[in-house]
Amino acid sequence: DGGITQSPKYLFRKEGQNVTLSCEQNLNHDAMYWYRQDPGQGLRLIYYSQIVNDFQKGDIAEGYSVSREKKESFPLTVTSAQKNPTAFYLCASTPQGRTDTQYFGPGTRLTVL
Amino acid sequence: EDKVVQSPLSLVVHEGDTVTLNCSYEVTNFRSLLWYKQEKKAPTFLFMLTSSGIEKKSGRLSSILDKKELFSILNITATQTGDSAIYLCAVGYAGNTPLVFGKGTRLSVIA
Repeated sequence: DGGITQSPKYLFRKEGQNVTLSCEQNLNHDAMYWYRQDPGQGLRLIYYSQIVNDFQKGDIAEGYSVSREKKESFPLTVTSAQKNPTAFYLCASTPQGRTDTQYFGPGTRLTVL
Repeated sequence: EDKVVQSPLSLVVHEGDTVTLNCSYEVTNFRSLLWYKQEKKAPTFLFMLTSSGIEKKSGRLSSILDKKELFSILNITATQTGDSAIYLCAVGYAGNTPLVFGKGTRLSVIA
């Protein structure tokens, strides 16, 4: 089955620790995205990548980092510089040139204690 | 300034009511407008609109785009408690730029 997987589903971390969220897709999509969602809010773009070894900052990149070493994988690191990291994180992917055909992963809910 | 603006931000209705959700957007390089429903997990796709004046319908949900006035509406008739969710509007612009999402409308349907 083709799709996007995110792990873990729930993640708890202590304040000041870096944490990496996994996102893997087997849809052969070129572009991948990370969004943050706070309670009752819409999606805000953190980072996106349109091709391997390249990525761009979204609207709220501060305190986050990404890598795109493989087409299938786009991990997101939430660093200690992120002031308020508790949120729901969604990963998505799209075929090249079709940014409106978004496939979403199930999400990771990060809670920083 | 937000490029995609949804209204209202939240709404509480009774079962059986009809609701209209609004989404307005900036025009530059517009390509498509999408509606999603989200219930505590990943958003699920509802509609994609590219042409003005053509209604898209799925059961009790329908949506239409007005490219002259730069907005779309999502109608839900005979609402049910299962319609309670956040409804997200997103706009796709030309080129490879990512979708731009609005803040969403939180709909609560009470019995």
